[in-house]
Amino acid sequence: GDSVTQMEGPVTLSEEAFLTINCTYTATGYPSLFWYVQYPGEGLQLLLKATKADDKGSNKGFEATYRKETTSFHLEKGSVQVSDSAVYFCALLPMKTSYDKVIFGPGTSLSVIP
Amino acid sequence: NAGVMQNPRHLVRRRGQEARLRCSPMKGHSHVYWYRQLPEEGLKFMVYLQKENIIDESGMPKERFSAEFPKEGPSILRIQQVVRGDSAAYFCASSPGSDNYGYTFGSGTRLTVV
Repeated sequence: GDSVTQMEGPVTLSEEAFLTINCTYTATGYPSLFWYVQYPGEGLQLLLKATKADDKGSNKGFEATYRKETTSFHLEKGSVQVSDSAVYFCALLPMKTSYDKVIFGPGTSLSVIP
Repeated sequence: NAGVMQNPRHLVRRRGQEARLRCSPMKGHSHVYWYRQLPEEGLKFMVYLQKENIIDESGMPKERFSAEFPKEGPSILRIQQVVRGDSAAYFCASSPGSDNYGYTFGSGTRLTVV
């Protein structure tokens, strides 16, 4: 079945470091892909999305490109801040579904230290 | 435009009691999804509902768990005779339909069974 795999955390970076969180997926056809962020004690917020191959989603300095050939959707940010400390979830929505049943990866915890 | 509202934010129950978790979707959203997040794990789909209908409950435990989304009022996730293993964060999400835009999440209810 459809699934999402993420790099294991926790990830600890110094402020202004470059961030990459790897995400790969298994799905039929062309799913929609998402990154969600969960700050401590909060729910999930949609960070960015891409709905077709080669699309680049971006928001708040974060970017991810939908790579069909490698079935990947890696999250990147050029310079992280302490306020980016959170758990990041990669997710997919299978194509041709009659409703939005989003499948989540296990999440990657990021800690940014000053 | 209020987001997805979940209450209570925190709920403590003794073993054997009942837990009722409420979710009011965003205005204009008629699709509700419940997910469970166990400690150190990702989100697992539980159930998808539309008004007065359960569409997909493939992620719901077979016993003690039930969900409803009445014509009037919030969606309710009900857990009867709670056990310690039910301790988790329960998130509700809503969407306007199958439009590949993903979900809007509530802040969750953190259930602790003592």
